[in-house]
Amino acid sequence: ETGVTQTPRHLVMGMTNKKSLKCEQHLGHNAMYWYKQSAKKPLELMFVYNFKEQTENNSVPSRFSPECPNSSHLFLHLHTLQPEDSALYLCASSQDWDTDTQYFGPGTRLTVL
Amino acid sequence: QKEVEQDPGPLSVPEGAIVSLNCTYSNSAFQYFMWYRQYSRKGPELLMYTYSSGNKEDGRFTAQVDKSSKYISLFIRDSQPSDSATYLCAMRELIQGAQKLVFGQGTRLTINP
Repeated sequence: ETGVTQTPRHLVMGMTNKKSLKCEQHLGHNAMYWYKQSAKKPLELMFVYNFKEQTENNSVPSRFSPECPNSSHLFLHLHTLQPEDSALYLCASSQDWDTDTQYFGPGTRLTVL
Repeated sequence: QKEVEQDPGPLSVPEGAIVSLNCTYSNSAFQYFMWYRQYSRKGPELLMYTYSSGNKEDGRFTAQVDKSSKYISLFIRDSQPSDSATYLCAMRELIQGAQKLVFGQGTRLTINP
């Protein structure tokens, strides 16, 4: 595997479910990011991790819980989501947090019923 | 007022035409300007990156930044059907050890053979 991979690619869940999104980067980068991309809205940065430490949390509701066990893996734990949370969730990585080039994964298409 | 404004389109042009994509912004502290291309069912990929006002060329693509007008553009010459994608502008500000990255909504572009 090369680049940034995300699993699952598609996820349908009820509002009471708990699920997790996984991201893995094979680029040797130190920074990883979660973004939310909704229809007709700009890409929204959710969380930033640099060397496994969370450096940014852009006022994201607590029903989204990130986890970064090492520099190569990033998770987004989901619980009691709302239908308006349905979106494409993108993971990205970069050499360092302040590097211009971020490499994106293909995303997880999430639908909350 | 949104920090970054981008016409979502859709924009449809014939093959071989010159395409002009634009974004305006209100935050004069943005220092870095990027264009991403996003194909359907894929994550965004960095296309062009500029720091200062002026032009930057890469093959058929030219990125232009006018900081005085707070206006950036991406030109595509000799457009090809393979250029059909959504183009996202993005801007970054570094603030005392943190970064602020803001994306435009994206412009959906179709090149017709």
